Amino acid sequence: DVKVTQSSRYLVKRTGEKVFLECVQDMDHENMFWYRQDPGLGLRLIYFSYDVKMKEKGDIPEGYSVSREKKERFSLILESASTNQTSMYLCASTKGGRGAFFGQGTRLTVV
Amino acid sequence: AQSVTQLDSQVPVFEEAPVELRCNYSSSVSVYLFWYVQYPNQGLQLLLKYLSGSTLVKGINGFEAEFNKSQTSFHLRKPSVHISDTAEYFCAVSEPGSARQLTFGSGTQLTVLP
Repeated sequence: DVKVTQSSRYLVKRTGEKVFLECVQDMDHENMFWYRQDPGLGLRLIYFSYDVKMKEKGDIPEGYSVSREKKERFSLILESASTNQTSMYLCASTKGGRGAFFGQGTRLTVV
Repeated sequence: AQSVTQLDSQVPVFEEAPVELRCNYSSSVSVYLFWYVQYPNQGLQLLLKYLSGSTLVKGINGFEAEFNKSQTSFHLRKPSVHISDTAEYFCAVSEPGSARQLTFGSGTQLTVLP
C-alpha cells in the first residue's frame, strides 16, 4: 500500500514563527500536493509539484512556499505564521490522474 | 475550469436506512470522478473512482456510485448504513492527464443515528 506520512499530527506555533510541514511518500509518485482544509470550504490547493524542484501555485498560495529537493519529500513552509493560517493541512501524492493518496493531516494552530 | 458541487452539507440518517449523497460537477472535457471519506482527525481515504467503462462503480465498505454524463452527476449510495459510516464525504474531479488534479466539493457530513 502507498504510504504518505506527514511529520506531525498536531502543531502549535506562535505568530511570526517560521513553520515547516514535512511530507514523505514511499511509492515513487511524481506528483505531490499540499491542501488546507477549513470547515465549510472543503479542500483548497495551496501548491503542487510534478517533479523534483518543480512547483506550481494552487488556488491559495499567498503566505506559503514549498520545497521539493527529493522525489519522495515535499515540504510546506509558512515564512511568518499568522492566525489565519490555523487549519488542517493535508499532503497527497499521485501518479497520473487516477486518484490521490493522502497523509493523516497536520492540525496547525497559530496563537 | 472544473468545479464540484455537493448539494447537501449535512445528511442525518438512521442506522440501517439507505443513503444517497449527491454530487454534481462541471467540466468542459472528460473527467475522472472520485469519492473520498474522512473520519475525524484523519486524512482522506479513497472510497471509489470512475475512470472509464461501466457507469456503476462499487467501492469499499458497501458504497457505490453511478456516473451520469447527461446530468453531470456522480451520486454516492449505500443501501444500509452503519454507525461506523459517520464521517465526512468528499466528491472530487480531475482531468485525465492533468498534473493539477482533484478539485474537491465542500463535503457532506453523514451522521448515522442509532
